[in-house]
Amino acid sequence: EVQLVQSGPEVKKPGSTVKISCKVSGYTLTDHYMHWVQQAPGKGLEWMGLVDPADGETIYAEKFRGRVTTNADTSIDTVYMSLNSLTSEDTAVYYCAVGRGWELFKWGQGSLVTVSS
Amino acid sequence: DVVMTQSPLSLPATLGQPASISCRSSQSLVHSDGNTYLNWYQQRPGQSPRLLFYKVSKRDSGVPDRFSASGSGTDFTLKISRMEAEDVAIYYCMQGTRWPLTFGGGTRVEIK
Repeated sequence: EVQLVQSGPEVKKPGSTVKISCKVSGYTLTDHYMHWVQQAPGKGLEWMGLVDPADGETIYAEKFRGRVTTNADTSIDTVYMSLNSLTSEDTAVYYCAVGRGWELFKWGQGSLVTVSS
Repeated sequence: DVVMTQSPLSLPATLGQPASISCRSSQSLVHSDGNTYLNWYQQRPGQSPRLLFYKVSKRDSGVPDRFSASGSGTDFTLKISRMEAEDVAIYYCMQGTRWPLTFGGGTRVEIK
């Protein structure tokens, strides 16, 4: 069974950086892209970007480009997403989701990031 | 970016009765490879999203057959043939045809 287990909640100061992990099991990490999706409180879903764990290639949404980085450590079946220069608008739940074709077929449980001074 | 517009925003549904959600895209979702990458997700309260359908109408594993999906080009529909209590959720469409991937704003389905 495919499982994605994300790191726990974080509280960050404005201007700082958060790094979230997503550990996978039940499939070979390099077989599928890993996507990241943001969900602000009470809001909808916004795609942030993806990484191809096979070669490290990344694609980011324009809104997050320059502030987001995602990479994979295939030795421990874990993907990471870092978001820097945090503001209160980055307070959200962040999901990793594994892609098959262009559908996100399995999602992590989400990681809540709260940005507060 | 492709704008995905869902309607209605909120849908009070009667148990045992059908319910239908519309999703329209600002551009055709037919990819140059001939596929249409339109997906539907269900997000129950307090849970992560779950894939229901991909490529317009392909049902993902374990999705009850009271759910169906259809459409083409720019107009797509998700239907519940008989509303059940466990179907209370927010439903999102998402397109994967053009960068960046984009989601609809969601439709909240609740019991009337």
